[in-house]
Amino acid sequence: DTAVSQTPKYLVTQMGNDKSIKCEQNLGHDTMYWYKQDSKKFLKIMFSYNNKELIINETVPNRFSPKSPDKAHLNLHINSLELGDSAVYFCASSQEEGFGYGYTFGSGTRLTVV
Amino acid sequence: QKEVEQNSGPLSVPEGAIASLNCTYSDRGSQSFFWYRQYSGKSPELIMSIYSNGDKEDGRFTAQLNKASQYVSLLIRDSQPSDSATYLCAVGGSQGNLIFGKGTKLSVKP
Repeated sequence: DTAVSQTPKYLVTQMGNDKSIKCEQNLGHDTMYWYKQDSKKFLKIMFSYNNKELIINETVPNRFSPKSPDKAHLNLHINSLELGDSAVYFCASSQEEGFGYGYTFGSGTRLTVV
Repeated sequence: QKEVEQNSGPLSVPEGAIASLNCTYSDRGSQSFFWYRQYSGKSPELIMSIYSNGDKEDGRFTAQLNKASQYVSLLIRDSQPSDSATYLCAVGGSQGNLIFGKGTKLSVKP
């Protein structure tokens, strides 16, 4: 009965490849997010979706494309992977946008580009 | 650029002591504030939220907020080795997202 689940947990791939990370939440939350955590543990927002609608699209390379087929799912597709994309990617969800409700995080996907 | 600042530490305290973690933020209009705990290799876990000035207590944890000084802190009483982790301060942004500080690494020595 995991609340926010991400797959895969680990992803090792070569430069130039295309990969996807999947996220699903069973909390009934309306808003989902993707955050990137770099080697210094800094968590930075990439995207947020509210009820399948894109709300936040931070300065992220076009190689990153989120997809939300329904409000329980938010996937992240990354084209032409680069060494600098290596990081931990966290999916999160919250009850409602706009009021800074606390998030529930997924377990993270550690992406290593070699 | 809205920012959240934390001392990266590491902060080392002996077991049983009070650990004090501090955070300042730049957006004077911020209304919601959170503390997350992140163990190494794990995801952040929400431990406290605070929305109004003053103190909020939950077990061994006390969050303190001073909006005039744009300052939020977390006190951990009777610190235990199991409290050793990175503590992330987060502030609610205008678009409903959370803006995180870089975290303070806490080490509680037995």
